[in-house]
Amino acid sequence: EAGVAQSPRYKIIEKRQSVAFWCNPISGHATLYWYQQILGQGPKLLIQFQNNGVVDDSQLPKDRFSAERLKGVDSTLKIQPAKLEDSAVYLCASSPPREWTVAKNIQYFGAGTRLSVL
Amino acid sequence: LAKTTQPISMDSYEGQEVNITCSHNNIATNDYITWYQQFPSQGPRFIIQGYKTKVTNEVASLFIPADRKSSTLSLPRVSLSDTAVYYCLVGDPFSGTYKYIFGTGTRLKVLA
Repeated sequence: EAGVAQSPRYKIIEKRQSVAFWCNPISGHATLYWYQQILGQGPKLLIQFQNNGVVDDSQLPKDRFSAERLKGVDSTLKIQPAKLEDSAVYLCASSPPREWTVAKNIQYFGAGTRLSVL
Repeated sequence: LAKTTQPISMDSYEGQEVNITCSHNNIATNDYITWYQQFPSQGPRFIIQGYKTKVTNEVASLFIPADRKSSTLSLPRVSLSDTAVYYCLVGDPFSGTYKYIFGTGTRLKVLA
């Protein structure tokens, strides 16, 4: 089974530039998440989608971050303009329908995109 | 949401059993305990989930006492490849508003 795909793996930009990250979840997973993980910390949820609708974006800095999930499959996360403190790994995760697994609300994570803002 | 407390780091030697304890004093009735493992340069990976008593799979065991205010992840006979950060998460996975809140986790280092 293919995992969660993310690209690019690495990105280096200068502050005030824009950047976009792409995520392709596991086939059939309706729920998709974007997390930000700063070095030495655990991942922090930025936004959660159920199909192509937003379930939770309470921790998304909406003045500079945006995300979309067109057609309920792939998703993109954009930062515009980037700040130095946005340097982090951006992780995408997806969850299967509850009836697929014994354990509940399991999230499958991609390898992430490491962003460095200079 | 239940707050969790884990040791920041642990060291162990290859072949030993490792037990990582997580405290969650204000766990709610419907909450489950879920553990994830994260290797460097990878996203977290689900290890095990439980509600009470003991759960075992091919990777680990999870022990949950009757009061459920703590839980212990047990890794049998660790190897160097078990060096990773381990996260304990508590919440109601059936809730539509459930979201993972990762702490800083426990950094396990396995020594040769």
